[in-house]
Amino acid sequence: SQTIHQWPATLVQPVGSPLSLECTVEGTSNPNLYWYRQAAGRGLQLLFYSVGIGQISSEVPQNLSASRPQDRQFILSSKKLLLSDSGFYLCASTGTASWGNSPLHFGNGTRLTVT
Amino acid sequence: AQSVTQLDSQVPVFEEAPVELRCNYSSSVSVYLFWYVQYPNQGLQLLLKYLSGSTLVKGINGFEAEFNKSQTSFHLRKPSVHISDTAEYFCAVSNFNKFYFGSGTKLNVKP
Repeated sequence: SQTIHQWPATLVQPVGSPLSLECTVEGTSNPNLYWYRQAAGRGLQLLFYSVGIGQISSEVPQNLSASRPQDRQFILSSKKLLLSDSGFYLCASTGTASWGNSPLHFGNGTRLTVT
Repeated sequence: AQSVTQLDSQVPVFEEAPVELRCNYSSSVSVYLFWYVQYPNQGLQLLLKYLSGSTLVKGINGFEAEFNKSQTSFHLRKPSVHISDTAEYFCAVSNFNKFYFGSGTKLNVKP
């Protein structure tokens, strides 16, 4: 089965500072990878997804970007954080070449607080 | 585009009582349906999924859900809840590579 590693678990960053959150996946190859942000009472907002190395789809225009330098590595970045970037960030993965019929597996998330 | 509506933001229930968490979705195409559970400060865990076939699907921890195509619903049920079921529950639909989630229902099981 898949294991999703996310770090750090918590992060406090000042406004205007850069951000890099990393996610790595074990137990599968060629997965679809996802970044979600969770805000209280608002469910999960899909930020980015990737179906392969270097292939990134952005769902919501914002202050963030994503990259997939390796098959099982997904990175979420920002050049300058805003207060509104605070939230709980979740990385998720599906099985090989999924078309939506393979469930998402989630990491344990990163709690980001921008001060 | 798909959307998912979870009608109840919070559901209080006494231990050993039955519970139903409601989920409706809108989609012009066939979708796959999922329920996830989230405990505080953790990621989401899959409870069950509907891909095709029988409309009644059984999941882990005694949960089940029924897919109703005509009503575009996928409600989650458990005949007898435990204190340990206290958590937030999310309904999700997927189409091709995208997964869309509802806003979540917090289930609070009281002794």
